[in-house]
This record gives sequence, C-alpha cells and structure tokens, in this order.
Amino acid sequence: DGGITQSPKYLFRKEGQNVTLSCEQNLNHDAMYWYRQDPGQGLRLIYYSQIVNDFQKGDIAEGYSVSREKKESFPLTVTSAQKNPTAFYLCASSMGLAQSYNEQFFGPGTRLTVL
Amino acid sequence: AQSVTQPDIHITVSEGASLELRCNYSYGATPYLFWYVQSPGQGLQLLLKYFSGDTLVQGIKGFEAEFKRSQSSFNLRKPSVHWSDAAEYFCAASRGKLQFGAGTQVVVTP
Repeated sequence: DGGITQSPKYLFRKEGQNVTLSCEQNLNHDAMYWYRQDPGQGLRLIYYSQIVNDFQKGDIAEGYSVSREKKESFPLTVTSAQKNPTAFYLCASSMGLAQSYNEQFFGPGTRLTVL
Repeated sequence: AQSVTQPDIHITVSEGASLELRCNYSYGATPYLFWYVQSPGQGLQLLLKYFSGDTLVQGIKGFEAEFKRSQSSFNLRKPSVHWSDAAEYFCAASRGKLQFGAGTQVVVTP
C-alpha cells in the first residue's frame, strides 16, 4: 500500500541532545513537508522540500534541520537549539511542487517528549 | 496577512444530531480550501477540498462543505453524526503554502 511512514511513534530526548525523526513515502511525490503540532495551535510548517537536494524554511525552522538526499526520504533533526521541542511532529507529501491545489498526505506522526 | 480562522475550539454534539463546523479565511484572492480530520494521536486525513465550480462539495464519511465567497467561509457539515466522528477537524487554505486553522475538537455524546 502506498503511504507515508514515520518513526518512531514515540521519542524521548534528554535536554541537550539532537534527535532525528524519520519520514519515508512511497507515493512517488516530489514535495515533502514537516509540521509541528501543539494543542490549540493547529499545524505550523517547519521545513518543506520540492525536489531532491533542495529544501526551504517554513514558519518555525529555528532549531531544526532537514535533508533530502532521496525522493522517498525527508528526515527531520531536532537540535539542542530548539528551546521547546516537546510536540507532535507530522510529515506530509504532495505531488509536484508545493503548489496550492496539491492535496497533502500525512503520516501518523511522532510524539517527541523532552525529559 | 493571510489567515484561517475556526471560531469554535470545542463542540459537543449528540449522536444522530447534525454537525456544522465553521471556517473563515482571509486572503486577497480566493484560496484553495480543504477540510482535514485527525483522530487522537494520528495523522490528518483529507475529508474534502474546494478548488472552483460547484460551491457545495461532497467528501468522504458523509461530510459536505459549502463555499460562500461573500462570507469568506467554508463550513463543514454532516447531517447525522456517528460516535466515530469524534475527532479534531482542521480547515486549511492555500495560495502557495497550506495554512491551517487552529482546529475544532468534536465530542460526540450518546
């Protein structure tokens, strides 16, 4: 079945550590996205990538980094510079470029908790 | 600035009753409009979308939405709610970047 997978489902991090969240898609989509979800705030865009080896900052990129070495994969690293990383992280993908009309498909999410 | 507003943070509805979730947008030109649903601890699933044409859009799970340009609204409706419809619902709009409302939590009572 085509879809988006995220791992792990739950992740615990000590303060000062970097952690990497995995996102893989087999939908053959060009564009991929990372969102952060906090209660009562909807989804906020962290980074997005339109093609391999290219990515753009979203609204809240500080303290995060990404790579896009393969079309299928778009890992997100939460660095120690992110002051409040505890949140639910969602990965998404869409066909073509990050254009208005392209529906985004979402993965099941990773819940990150800083201890 | 572009924005998407969902005025209701939380709605409680009885099973079998009708449901309407409100969504207003503020864009210079009409954006593409979407409704997503999220079950607890899960990702988002697209319910329906509006690009142009017929202003009443049918979606999955018995949901529909009506686009009203004069009111800058895109309200979601379901005639008869089932217990499985308890979830969080997000309205989203796009003129390049997808922007989400804050969400409406729907609780269904027996």
